Amino acid sequence: QKEVEQNSGPLSVPEGAIASLNCTYSDRGSQSFFWYRQYSGKSPELIMSIYSNGDKEDGRFTAQLNKASQYVSLLIRDSQPSDSATYLCAVNGNNQGGKLIFGQGTELSVKP
Amino acid sequence: GAVVSQHPSRVICKSGTSVKIECRSLDFQATTMFWYRQFPKQSLMLMATSNEGSKATYEQGVEKDKFLINHASLTLSTLTVTSAHPEDSSFYICSARPGLAGDEQYFGPGTRLTVT
Repeated sequence: QKEVEQNSGPLSVPEGAIASLNCTYSDRGSQSFFWYRQYSGKSPELIMSIYSNGDKEDGRFTAQLNKASQYVSLLIRDSQPSDSATYLCAVNGNNQGGKLIFGQGTELSVKP
Repeated sequence: GAVVSQHPSRVICKSGTSVKIECRSLDFQATTMFWYRQFPKQSLMLMATSNEGSKATYEQGVEKDKFLINHASLTLSTLTVTSAHPEDSSFYICSARPGLAGDEQYFGPGTRLTVT
C-alpha cells in the first residue's frame, strides 16, 4: 500500500462545477496535511494546509480532514479553466523530520 | 511572504561537467530545505533533506557523492550535480520550511537541467 494515495485522473469537470479531489494516507500518526497545485512545467504551489479534523475554507477552496478515516479532500467551488492543473496531496508523516510524503497527483481539467 | 528562488531556471551542460543550483529563501530563514527531482509525467521524488550547518540526509538510492548538497546559511542551499550524464536531465526543485509554526514547505520555481 502506498503511503499517500490519490486518484490519478484525469478528473474532468465543467466550468462552474465543484471539483472534488480525494486523498488517503496510511500513517495514522500523521499530523499535517497539504494540498499543492502544479501547473504543467512549473513547480508546486501551496494552496491549503490543514491540521485538525473538519473543514477549512479559503476562498473557493475547502480542505476536509478526517483522521479516523485517514482521508483528506479538497473541494474547488465554481471551478475555472485556470484551475486545470495537477493537484498533489502531501502528508507530514509521524517522525519524518519534516519530510512530506506526496501522492502521485490528480490531474484536473476544467472545461469551458 | 514565503518566497523561494532558484538559480538558474534552466541550464544545458555537456556530459561529464558539473552544475550548481542555488536555492534561496528570500523573506524567511529556513533551517531545513529539501531537494526534489521530477521526471516528465511523474510525481516529485525527494532526493535529500538539507539542514543548515550539518550534512544532508539523502534518500535511499540517491548518490551523495554525485549530488552534493551544501546548506551554508539559513537562506541558501546549493545542489551540485557532479559529472552529469544525460540520465540526470530532469526538473530539480527545492523547497524550504520556515519551521516557525506548522510544517508548510514552499517551493522554488525549479531548475530544468539538460545534459547533452
